[in-house]
Amino acid sequence: GAGVSQSPSNKVTEKGKDVELRCDPISGHTALYWYRQSLGQGLEFLIYFQGNSAPDKSGLPSDRFSAERTGGSVSTLTIQRTQQEDSAVYLCASTPTRGGLGETQYFGPGTRLLVL
Amino acid sequence: ELKVEQNPLFLSMQEGKNYTIYCNYSTTSDRLYWYRQDPGKSLESLFVLLSNGAVKQEGRLMASLDTKARLSTLHITAAVHDLSATYFCAVDLRGSNYKLTFGKGTLLTVNP
Repeated sequence: GAGVSQSPSNKVTEKGKDVELRCDPISGHTALYWYRQSLGQGLEFLIYFQGNSAPDKSGLPSDRFSAERTGGSVSTLTIQRTQQEDSAVYLCASTPTRGGLGETQYFGPGTRLLVL
Repeated sequence: ELKVEQNPLFLSMQEGKNYTIYCNYSTTSDRLYWYRQDPGKSLESLFVLLSNGAVKQEGRLMASLDTKARLSTLHITAAVHDLSATYFCAVDLRGSNYKLTFGKGTLLTVNP
């Protein structure tokens, strides 16, 4: 079946612009995670959605970052007023239920963001 | 704060040789994950280890977990070039919404 998909696959933007990154989780998966992968910081958790519960935003690095998940499926990560340090690969992952009990997180291909 | 440390970070080995990658973590957890990442690709799940003493094997890779020592190992047997990739271990904590904390990864290069 279809895996986690993300779009765009690559995004180049100018400093100060806003960007939106999209994630389509595996159909039926209720838990969705965003991570960021950068050379300096490695893989970092950003935000977690589970069903209709309030999202866990504890990993968002600043208030320029926000995310939403509409209808319990597609999620959009928005970065406002982008900075060069936002350049990274943004990865989305999903799990069938709430992510517990050792469930594997299935990762999408990522969006490579470059801020000039 | 949960910290996950892998070593080595870089590993160059010859085909046919054996080696072990180590993953230490700082806080009690009984769930550990190993992922593989090929260049320019996303993360592929290799193993999920859910209890002390858990051992899982797939092909030339074998992973184990010692929760008392807070240590997991990924053992490579008779390496082949196709195993060249970056390997990440990750840990989650109960009550943390199961978000993963990753090690920095081990870049494995298997040379002919």
